Amino acid sequence: QVQLQELGPGLVKPSETLSLTCTVSGVSVRSSYYYWSWIRQSPTKGLEWVGYIDDSEATKYNPSLESRATMSVDTSKNQFSLKLHSVTPADTAVYYCARVVNSGWHRWFDPWGQGTLVTVSS
Amino acid sequence: QSILTQPPSVSAAPGQKVTISCSGGSSNLGNNYVSWYQHLPGTAPKLLIYENNKRPSGVPDRFSGSKSGTSATLGITGLQAGDEGDYYCGTWDTGLNGGALFGGGTKLTVL
Repeated sequence: QVQLQELGPGLVKPSETLSLTCTVSGVSVRSSYYYWSWIRQSPTKGLEWVGYIDDSEATKYNPSLESRATMSVDTSKNQFSLKLHSVTPADTAVYYCARVVNSGWHRWFDPWGQGTLVTVSS
Repeated sequence: QSILTQPPSVSAAPGQKVTISCSGGSSNLGNNYVSWYQHLPGTAPKLLIYENNKRPSGVPDRFSGSKSGTSATLGITGLQAGDEGDYYCGTWDTGLNGGALFGGGTKLTVL
């Protein structure tokens, strides 16, 4: 059974860097069939895709966040991570990590982690 | 405001049927499959439908999906109290963005 679990700081000050880690169990993050993604949800914006990292460690980000987001993979720990730089209160959200299943002509998110709330405030 | 448009809320009585619509454009739903996700209070979002109308193992056949052109629909029959929550459609953009898109979500209330 594949499971994902987010770990985050809870509270981040404006202008600082938000760092999140997702620990994956039940499948290797090196698997060729899957990508790994972050999705966030705020009360004002609903679900917003942040980005993904694929099996060759290439990344793709939401254009609205591309200048501030960095994703990476740690295969030794079977984890992947997100860093979001220069955060503002608008980045306050529940952050979910999710596996991206890639069928070749379609991709979908399954499963998702439980989510971790990150609040940006001084 | 989401690029994929869903009704903010729908409601129906237990045992009844409800449909949730998702409307997009030619660069997203018009050229890509749709997925549907269920988000119940206090739980992780869960995949309900992928590739327009396929159900993952474990999802009851009370849930169904369809797509035509730039619109998609999620159907739920035999409504149960446990179905109450938020439902999101999702797809990908085939333009320069090439990223994932979600609808704004629809809150289902079981009366």
